[in-house]
Amino acid sequence: DTAVSQTPKYLVTQMGNDKSIKCEQNLGHDTMYWYKQDSKKFLKIMFSYNNKELIINETVPNRFSPKSPDKAHLNLHINSLELGDSAVYFCASSQTAGVVRTGELFFGEGSRLTVL
Amino acid sequence: AQSVTQPDIHITVSEGASLELRCNYSYGATPYLFWYVQSPGQGLQLLLKYFSGDTLVQGIKGFEAEFKRSQSSFNLRKPSVHWSDAAEYFCAVGTYGGATNKLIFGTGTLLAVQP
Repeated sequence: DTAVSQTPKYLVTQMGNDKSIKCEQNLGHDTMYWYKQDSKKFLKIMFSYNNKELIINETVPNRFSPKSPDKAHLNLHINSLELGDSAVYFCASSQTAGVVRTGELFFGEGSRLTVL
Repeated sequence: AQSVTQPDIHITVSEGASLELRCNYSYGATPYLFWYVQSPGQGLQLLLKYFSGDTLVQGIKGFEAEFKRSQSSFNLRKPSVHWSDAAEYFCAVGTYGGATNKLIFGTGTLLAVQP
C-alpha cells in the first residue's frame, strides 16, 4: 500500500480552467502538507493542516484553496489556472505538527501540472 | 530569514568514487538539519537528520553528514558511490516557533554517476 498517494499524477489543462489534486495518507499521521516544486526543483511549502485545521498558509494566491475533509485527506483546488502554476505539486504528511523535532516528512510521488 | 544554500547544482562522480554534497544554512537558533533524496519521478525520502549531540550523523544507504556550526554547514558524504545513488539531493533546515514547524528546502543538487 502506498503511504501517501496523490491523484492525478499528470494533469494538462488550459489557462483559466479549474482543477483539483487529491491526496490521501494511510499512515495515521495528524499533519499533511502541500509543497510546490518549480521547474528549477525549488521546493516551497504552500499549506499545512493538522487534524483538519489549517496551521500554515504561506503567501499563496487566493486561487489556491486546500481542503481537508478528515486528517487522512488533503485536497488542493486551483481556480483560474495560470501559466505560472505549472509545477509538480507534492503532498506530504508527518506524524505530528512538530515535524521539525521528528524530522520526517513522507512525500507522495507528486502531481505534475502543465498549464497551456 | 531562514535559508538553505546548496552551491552545486549538478555533480558528476564515477561509480566507486567518494562523494561530498555541500549545504550551508542560515538560522538564528539551534538548527534542525536534514538531507532528503528524490529519485526520478518519486517523492522525497529522508536520508538522515541532525538534532543535537554527535555532529557526525549516519543515515540510510551508507550516507553520513557532518554538522559544523562554525561554518554553518551540513555536508553530505558517501565513501563509495553506487550507480543507484544517481538522484536529486535536498538539504533542509527545520524552523520552529509556536505551532508552525516547517522544513525549508535548498534548491537541490543533481547527482549523476558515471560507470
